[in-house]
Amino acid sequence: NAGVTQTPKFRILKIGQSMTLQCTQDMNHNYMYWYRQDPGMGLKLIYYSVGAGITDKGEVPNGYNVSRSTTEDFPLRLELAAPSQTSVYFCASSYLPEGRGAFFGQGTRLTVV
Amino acid sequence: TQLLEQSPQFLSIQEGENLTVYCNSSSVFSSLQWYRQEPGEGPVLLVTVVTGGEVKKLKRLTFQFGDARKDSSLHITAAQPGDTGLYLCAGAPASGAGSYQLTFGKGTKLSVIP
Repeated sequence: NAGVTQTPKFRILKIGQSMTLQCTQDMNHNYMYWYRQDPGMGLKLIYYSVGAGITDKGEVPNGYNVSRSTTEDFPLRLELAAPSQTSVYFCASSYLPEGRGAFFGQGTRLTVV
Repeated sequence: TQLLEQSPQFLSIQEGENLTVYCNSSSVFSSLQWYRQEPGEGPVLLVTVVTGGEVKKLKRLTFQFGDARKDSSLHITAAQPGDTGLYLCAGAPASGAGSYQLTFGKGTKLSVIP
């Protein structure tokens, strides 16, 4: 089982560039999430989705956008990258609400210079 | 904003010792989860507790949910080097908006020295 797959694993962006972080899950989970993890700060929720076509903001959504056209895919878009977006990004999916039983991808380490 | 305080932040112990990690809040949670994360990897779910006072065991790991569902603890017996990692607790609020939003603690970084 692939579980939750994120690409790329690493990326360096210049200030002002844009990119999309890809996330795919093969477990038919309705609930999907994007988190960012900064050193010593735990995980912060950026956006989440409760099903195809339905997304909502989390705790730290500014500078990001998401879409959910299929159950499997939940891409995260960064527009006009800023140094404050340097972080490790994790996508997760779960079959229960509240993030219960969530499976995480391996993460994307993004550096904005 | 719901807050989860984890303590200690760092813990370095010898192989074979016992340890307890705490996760505390002033808020009530409908469920609380514990994850372990290794460097360069995503968090891996260890356990979910949902009932106040609940105790769950996973081999040498014992998880407890407080009676009031505001706190939890993770106890490891006879720690082994393979237990090394970042332990995260995460809670879902009991009511109100944001029921899809897990709140994560900042984590306890455990090092078990052979």
